[in-house]
Formats: sequence, C-alpha cells, structure tokens
Amino acid sequence: EAAVTQSPRSKVAVTGGKVTLSCHQTNNHDYMYWYRQDTGHGLRLIHYSYVADSTEKGDIPDGYKASRPSQENFSLILELASLSQTAVYFCASSGWGGAEQYFGPGTRLTVL
Amino acid sequence: GEQVEQRPPHLSVREGDSAVITCTYTDPNSYYFFWYKQEPGASLQLLMKVFSSTEINEGQGFTVLLNKKDKRLSLNLTAAHPGDSAAYFCAVRSYGNEKITFGAGTKLTIKP
Repeated sequence: EAAVTQSPRSKVAVTGGKVTLSCHQTNNHDYMYWYRQDTGHGLRLIHYSYVADSTEKGDIPDGYKASRPSQENFSLILELASLSQTAVYFCASSGWGGAEQYFGPGTRLTVL
Repeated sequence: GEQVEQRPPHLSVREGDSAVITCTYTDPNSYYFFWYKQEPGASLQLLMKVFSSTEINEGQGFTVLLNKKDKRLSLNLTAAHPGDSAAYFCAVRSYGNEKITFGAGTKLTIKP
C-alpha cells in the first residue's frame, strides 16, 4: 500500500526561528506536494515537485522554501517562522498522469 | 486558474437520511475529479474518483455524479450512518496542470 510519512508530527517553534518539515514516500511516485490546512478550511498548495532537485511554486509560496533531494524525500523549510504560519501541514505524493494524491498524516506546527 | 466552489460548508443529517455535497468548477479542461474524506484530527483519504469518461461512480454507500455541461460534481450519500461524520473535500485536476485544486470542504455531521 502507498505510504507517505511525515516528521515531526507536531512541533512548536518560536517566531523568527527556522523550521524544517520532512516528508518521505515509498510509492515510487514522481510528484510530491506540500499543503497547509488552517482550522476549518481546505488545503492550499505551497510547493510541489515532479523530479528530484527541482521544485515549483504553488499558490501560496511566500515565506516557504522547498527541497527535493531525492525522489523519496521532500522538505518544507520556514526560514523565519511567523505566527501566521501556525497550521497543519500535509505532504502528498502522486504518480505521473493525473493520478490521485496520497497524503501523509500531517504535521501540526504552532509558532509562538 | 481553476476555481472550485464547494457547498454547503456544514451539513447535519439524521442517521439513515440522505446527504448531498456539491462542487462547481470553472476550467472546462478539467478531467479528473476526486472526493476525499478527512476524519477529525486525521489525514485525507481518497473516497472516490471519477474520470471524465464516466459520469457516475458508486461505492462505500456514496454515489458521485459528474455533469460536465454544468461543470458540477456531487457526492451523494444515500443512507447516512455515524461513521460518515467527517469533512469531505472535492478536488479537480485539469489537462496540462500538475496541480489539484481543492474545494473548501464540507463538515458532515450525522445525528442519531
């Protein structure tokens, strides 16, 4: 079965600090995505990647960077965390050609 | 770009009753449609998917209807049970687009 894992599952960060969220997939998928979900809302795309060593901006990339060092791993980096970045972050992967996305368990980030 | 509107944002029905959630989209090139279920505190799980060549898909007590002329997608639950209480999200993919656009979600509550 497709598997997407995320670490950490929960994190508390201070304003102005650096945060790195990690995602690992064993699906052999080309595409990986980072979304944020705010309480009671849908998902908004931050960054995505369709090949290692390359990332693309999503709909809300400001304040976030992404890194795809290998097909299996995709990281989201907050260089200077801000209060407004408190949210749940989901990673997802999908195969080529418009297949459905498989989601990780999410990371709850609280910025104080 | 693609815009997806999902209605209603909240829906409460009694056990055994039916429920309908609707999404409308804007891009006529949309061709792959998904419904995801998110239980409280959990990740998103694929519930059903519809490809453009099919208009009806059934499974798990749900029916998905696609009306491409009106650019409308609906999720129909024929007989609600407590395990159906969750948030439901529609998602749409367009040709030439590596991204999926999500609706804002519907929180479905099943009352005994």
